[in-house]
Amino acid sequence: KQEVTQIPAALSVPEGENLVLNCSFTDSAIYNLQWFRQDPGKGLTSLLLIQSSQREQTSGRLNASLDKSSGRSTLYIAASQPGDSATYLCAVRDYSGNTPLVFGKGTRLSVIA
Amino acid sequence: DAGVIQSPRHEVTEMGQEVTLRCKPISGHDYLFWYRQTMMRGLELLIYFNNNVPIDDSGMPEDRFSAKMPNASFSTLKIQPSEPRDSAVYFCASSPGQVLHFGDGTRLSIL
Repeated sequence: KQEVTQIPAALSVPEGENLVLNCSFTDSAIYNLQWFRQDPGKGLTSLLLIQSSQREQTSGRLNASLDKSSGRSTLYIAASQPGDSATYLCAVRDYSGNTPLVFGKGTRLSVIA
Repeated sequence: DAGVIQSPRHEVTEMGQEVTLRCKPISGHDYLFWYRQTMMRGLELLIYFNNNVPIDDSGMPEDRFSAKMPNASFSTLKIQPSEPRDSAVYFCASSPGQVLHFGDGTRLSIL
């Protein structure tokens, strides 16, 4: 059974810092991996989707990488801003492609001005 | 597009009462998912539908939980009877394929 782990559970950084959030998964036979953002009291918003054949995806200040063989992904946030404060969740879809996402519990990020 | 719409946003009720959560997915999305989120267990998939047909309900905790999708624009999740351990945020999400679009959730408190 696929399990997704995100460490640390919480992270606090000063504004302007570059930071990395980590995600690991137990079964490397994945179809794709997604990073989501969740603001307090809100649903999840998809940030980046990486297919199993890809190594990374970029959107603005965000860069997500995937190392399928080692079961790891990272989300890199450049020049962090207070508006980046949120919980970031990683989710994987298993190889069949039609299975639902399995989510990690997320990393709660606070960017201090 | 208005996005995925869930109602109510908050529900507080007493143990033993019936609770019905509602979801309107984004038009044209073939998949609809119900998730439950708690601090202890994170996001758990309860059930999902494809073209209004339930595909996998193995995440439904027990027979007290039921879900329906009578048409492409509406789904309900019902808990009867409710228990305090059902307190959580319940999310509905829809998808045309790979990317999920979430509603803002229903925060359910069972006293």
